[in-house]
Amino acid sequence: GAGVSQTPSNKVTEKGKYVELRCDPISGHTALYWYRQSLGQGPEFLIYFQGTGAADDSGLPNDRFFAVRPEGSVSTLKIQRTERGDSAVYLCASSFGGGHEQYFGPGTRLTVT
Amino acid sequence: TQLLEQSPQFLSIQEGENLTVYCNSSSVFSSLQWYRQEPGEGPVLLVTVVTGGEVKKLKRLTFQFGDARKDSSLHITAAQTGDTGLYLCAGEDSNSGYALNFGKGTSLLVTP
Repeated sequence: GAGVSQTPSNKVTEKGKYVELRCDPISGHTALYWYRQSLGQGPEFLIYFQGTGAADDSGLPNDRFFAVRPEGSVSTLKIQRTERGDSAVYLCASSFGGGHEQYFGPGTRLTVT
Repeated sequence: TQLLEQSPQFLSIQEGENLTVYCNSSSVFSSLQWYRQEPGEGPVLLVTVVTGGEVKKLKRLTFQFGDARKDSSLHITAAQTGDTGLYLCAGEDSNSGYALNFGKGTSLLVTP
């Protein structure tokens, strides 16, 4: 079956611009996670959705970052007023529910110039 | 945040050799997961260990969870070039629901 998909695969934007990153989870998975991976580091947790609601957003670095999942399936990570330090690979994962094994998408590589 | 330290950070070996990589923490985890990640791709789950002292085998890969559930190891027997990649361990953060805490990973290169 289809895995987790993320679009775009690459995004280059200028400092100060707004970006949206999209994640399509595995069909039937109710839990969805966003992580950020900087060069030479492991993924860092950002936010976890159970259904439509953000069950845990403790990993979001500041209020420029926001994520939604309005229908409990596709999720969008939104970054306002991008900074060069936001450059990283943004990974999405999904699972059957919280506490179950997480399956990752290929990521979106964001470069802020 | 419960920190996971992985060692070594880099490892370069020849095909046919054996190796072990380690994942250590001062915190107790309810479970630990091992992932492998290749360039330009997301991490792929290899195994989940749950019980202290548990040993799981996946072909030439052997995973062990420490008795106190604070550390884990991955042993590869007779490495192949296809084993090349970044090996990440991750544990569920007991303070943050189901978020995974990842180590920085061990970058393995297996040469012919």
